[in-house]
Amino acid sequence: GAGVSQSPSNKVTEKGKDVELRCDPISGHTALYWYRQSLGQGLEFLIYFQGNSAPDKSGLPSDRFSAERTGGSVSTLTIQRTQQEDSAVYLCASSLLANTGELFFGEGSRLTVL
Amino acid sequence: GENVEQHPSTLSVQEGDSAVIKCTYSDSASNYFPWYKQELGKRPQLIIDIRSNVGEKKDQRIAVTLNKTAKHFSLHITETQPEDSAVYFCAASGAGSRLTFGEGTQLTVNP
Repeated sequence: GAGVSQSPSNKVTEKGKDVELRCDPISGHTALYWYRQSLGQGLEFLIYFQGNSAPDKSGLPSDRFSAERTGGSVSTLTIQRTQQEDSAVYLCASSLLANTGELFFGEGSRLTVL
Repeated sequence: GENVEQHPSTLSVQEGDSAVIKCTYSDSASNYFPWYKQELGKRPQLIIDIRSNVGEKKDQRIAVTLNKTAKHFSLHITETQPEDSAVYFCAASGAGSRLTFGEGTQLTVNP
């Protein structure tokens, strides 16, 4: 596609349920980031994938959060046993160059946990 | 790892004035410094970037300066307009480190 695609755009779930958020990066981009952004706040780093290297998971806030990237393309962020504090916009971004290229962001997935 | 600090967190200017946002970084190996603009309800987008082999870069009303010795870089917006109102994020990265963002600056340009 022309840009980074994320789905769903909006997700409302009940506390305790699991959710999956999907990111389809720009074709050929080797780097993929997940960020979390609460209302009026900054970009909280979650996880970084770069080619075939082991992902940098240092930003994941708890073991309820996990992510994978299959075939170096599509990525899925999974949040298990969701809590109200997980409510935020989850942004995915991809880049052609490993660390020093422009990041292209998706529109984000807005998660609301009731 | 890299640590990026950004100041101020909020900035209010009159239309036509200049705005300056400053960032410091901790990793002397960082060599790429982009700036992103995020308008309300939209995704962040790159507005300008600079690499460590230059000290300044300009693009119309926007300029970025880099001081590698002091490990700080700044965004300068001249002749500000209401449409410049947004949150601005600085970031830093290098060959061995992923991109790290600052906390953001909410810029408001008053007509």
